[in-house]
Amino acid sequence: DVQMTQSPSTLSASVGDRVTITCRASQSISSWLAWYQQKPGKAPKLLIYKASSLEGGVPSRFSGSGSGTEFTLTISSLQPDDFATYYCQQYNTYPYTFGQGTKLEIK
Amino acid sequence: EVQLVETGGGLIQPGGSLRLSCAASGLIVSNNYMSWVRQAPGKGLEWVSVIYSGGSTYYADSVKGRFTISRDNSKNTLFLQMNNLRAEDTAVYYCARGSGNYDRENFYYYYYMDVWGEGTTVTVSS
Repeated sequence: DVQMTQSPSTLSASVGDRVTITCRASQSISSWLAWYQQKPGKAPKLLIYKASSLEGGVPSRFSGSGSGTEFTLTISSLQPDDFATYYCQQYNTYPYTFGQGTKLEIK
Repeated sequence: EVQLVETGGGLIQPGGSLRLSCAASGLIVSNNYMSWVRQAPGKGLEWVSVIYSGGSTYYADSVKGRFTISRDNSKNTLFLQMNNLRAEDTAVYYCARGSGNYDRENFYYYYYMDVWGEGTTVTVSS
């Protein structure tokens, strides 16, 4: 199975900050990576697919980059609505696997 | 508007069976790539199973041989039949629609999950 490792597990930041979350795959997954945002008690919401393509309706302050085994999700200027948990997920190989999540907290 | 609504969750004893349903509106289940993903209490997301429009299915090793994904075209509904349930199957179960990226080099579609239901809770406990 492809292992997905996110860092950090928890991130404290303030409104207006620029933040970056890293996701590493245990083997190359090309660009077949998605990022999701999840708020407590809610379903995950797709933000980014194919490593860097922004899903429709998602604010442009979210961006993704990377290929192969190393990927990043960047939020250019944190807004109050962005405090949530973020997951990366590879869809290159079955079984699909997720990172363990990064909880973005208000500092 | 595309909408997925999961039902069928509940409290079940270990070894029991449960069938989850995912009713779709705004999309035709049989024409789409459809998945189940679960989330144990306080834990991360775990992919469970997928059914392609052509009928091919795949399962996570943790559920293989116990869970079966299927669909009813007349009801436009996706199902997850769960047998021989274990305590570790306790989770919120989400259904999700997949959208495909076409890889011209490999002549293959890679699917990510773009529309999710709100989930149904399964608790396996005596």
